[in-house]
Amino acid sequence: DAMVIQNPRYQVTQFGKPVTLSCSQTLNHNVMYWYQQKSSQAPKLLFHYYDKDFNNEADTPDNFQSRRPNTSFCFLDIRSPGLGDAAMYLCATSRWARSSYNEQFFGPGTRLTVL
Amino acid sequence: AQSVTQLDSHVSVSEGTPVLLRCNYSSSYSPSLFWYVQHPNKGLQLLLKYTSAATLVKGINGFEAEFKKSETSFHLTKPSAHMSDAAEYFCVVSLFQGAQKLVFGQGTRLTINP
Repeated sequence: DAMVIQNPRYQVTQFGKPVTLSCSQTLNHNVMYWYQQKSSQAPKLLFHYYDKDFNNEADTPDNFQSRRPNTSFCFLDIRSPGLGDAAMYLCATSRWARSSYNEQFFGPGTRLTVL
Repeated sequence: AQSVTQLDSHVSVSEGTPVLLRCNYSSSYSPSLFWYVQHPNKGLQLLLKYTSAATLVKGINGFEAEFKKSETSFHLTKPSAHMSDAAEYFCVVSLFQGAQKLVFGQGTRLTINP
């Protein structure tokens, strides 16, 4: 089945130690998104890629970076995690269209714990 | 700016009884509205979406929602709750700003009592 895969499902890191979260997709979608979802809150968009074109949300901290080496993979890098970065990180994909009707397909998420 | 407000942070119903999850939207033009469901420790799954084709939208697992422009509402309903419906539900407005962007409501946690 076509799907969005996130690895690992659970990640523990230490305060200030860089961490990378991974997302891959078999849907061949040209747009990939990263969301941050803190406990009991709604998902918040961090950034998205349209093909290789990176688009940062205005309020996304500089501590968060992303890479997309090819259509299938996208990485979220947190350079110096703080306690406030503990959250569920969701990856999503969609097919680009000049429309707001498209469905975004979500992965299961990576839960990040910062010690 | 477009936004959605979910009127209840928590709804509790008994199994077999109707479910109503309320959502109001704010938009200067006809919005694209979605309902997503999130089961514990799982990703988000699309339940249904309103795209202006029909005001009553049917989704998966017996859920449906009605778009009411006069009330700026998009409430989610199900005639008979099942234990497996226990989850977090998000009402979402979708924007196009160079690419599609989703703006989420704060979520409603649905609890089903046996």
